Amino acid sequence: GQNIDQPTEMTATEGAIVQINCTYQTSGFNGLFWYQQHAGEAPTFLSYNVLDGLEEKGRFSSFLSRSKGYSYLLLKELQMKDSASYLCAVRDQGVTGGGNKLTFGTGTQLKVEL
Amino acid sequence: DSGVTQTPKHLITATGQRVTLRCSPRSGDLSVYWYQQSLDQGLQFLIQYYNGEERAKGNILERFSAQQFPDLHSELNLSSLELGDSALYFCASSVGGTGVVYEQYFGPGTRLTVT
Repeated sequence: GQNIDQPTEMTATEGAIVQINCTYQTSGFNGLFWYQQHAGEAPTFLSYNVLDGLEEKGRFSSFLSRSKGYSYLLLKELQMKDSASYLCAVRDQGVTGGGNKLTFGTGTQLKVEL
Repeated sequence: DSGVTQTPKHLITATGQRVTLRCSPRSGDLSVYWYQQSLDQGLQFLIQYYNGEERAKGNILERFSAQQFPDLHSELNLSSLELGDSALYFCASSVGGTGVVYEQYFGPGTRLTVT
């Protein structure tokens, strides 16, 4: 099974940089996703890492270290609209039938202040 | 708008009842996933179908069942409802779903309230 840990809440200032950490313990690993979810809305895809290193996508970057079971999401030039929950999710390896089972962390609620 | 549609948007029902939630994937997507999100449990994977066949299963209760039809839409059936089943139910879809990893696109969700 999977065990995923993220901080529950974070607060940051508009225009600043924030790093949201995610650690995981897994019996099998086949990729890590980051999703953004505004209250009452659907999660939306931000990034995907399967190899070690940094993936950059505009204001958002995601890093993965498989040996440490660790990932972070970096948000730059924070805007008020970035206030949301950020979900870390790990894909199970070796799912019978080759399916895509994602296990999500409970999410980090980010509040961006002026 | 992700292109994934779910109906109904809201559903209020009583304990012991049965409901059906419906999902239409994005055009061209073959995989459909169902998730349950409650305040205390977070987003929980229930089940995945790929081109009509079950491909992955999470901690889905025996009272819950799902299927994917030839036109690729999917239905999630919840029976003998309990208060604890009150949650947001999301459907997601992806182009593929076996082997290679694909991004999942989430629908707007169905909010189920069991009274």
